[in-house]
Amino acid sequence: DQQVKQNSPSLSVQEGRISILNCDYTNSMFDYFLWYKKYPAEGPTFLISISSIKDKNEDGRFTVFLNKSAKHLSLHIVPSQPGDSAVYFCAATDSGTYKYIFGTGTRLKVLA
Amino acid sequence: EPEVTQTPSHQVTQMGQEVILRCVPISNHLYFYWYRQILGQKVEFLVSFYNNEISEKSEIFDDQFSVERPDGSNFTLKIRSTKLEDSAMYFCATFDIRGPNTGELFFGEGSRLTVL
Repeated sequence: DQQVKQNSPSLSVQEGRISILNCDYTNSMFDYFLWYKKYPAEGPTFLISISSIKDKNEDGRFTVFLNKSAKHLSLHIVPSQPGDSAVYFCAATDSGTYKYIFGTGTRLKVLA
Repeated sequence: EPEVTQTPSHQVTQMGQEVILRCVPISNHLYFYWYRQILGQKVEFLVSFYNNEISEKSEIFDDQFSVERPDGSNFTLKIRSTKLEDSAMYFCATFDIRGPNTGELFFGEGSRLTVL
């Protein structure tokens, strides 16, 4: 039962260009969405989140967009830098249960 | 910056042995989680723990698994009789339910379990 899906296992982008990572969810009870970045042999680190009452949240080079009707969110990284190369996980939670469900991850490679 | 710490960083065990993975949550956080990631796969929810009891658990979290807070600071995951398929990276995570609502889970560095 994949409630949170990231359909692109990998993405390559040139340095300086925009990286767009996508995530779809099925559970309409989810009301908080997060993006995490993970390097090999490390724990996931929080990047940015968005509440279901918003459709956009921006933090520096990172912007998350939420389309509730399509049950879709995306993470935009502009400009992309080689240090952004990592696996990115989207996660969703229902604040009634505080159970966080993660997607399968997208490996981003930013080419210098 | 406060952090979640996990020990051991890597444990190798024989199939059928018991394993205990330890986590020290961020001190004022009240919600604790265990997740695992089998190599190359997604980060899977195992269990959440709040107010000294299990809040939610996944179908992976069967009778072989248990969690407890033995001394009010550590949060442990015990696997009673390990199987080969338990080999994975196990992450502890904590959440400040009373904090500003960024919804952020704080993760530890993980404990790699290898079952031979």
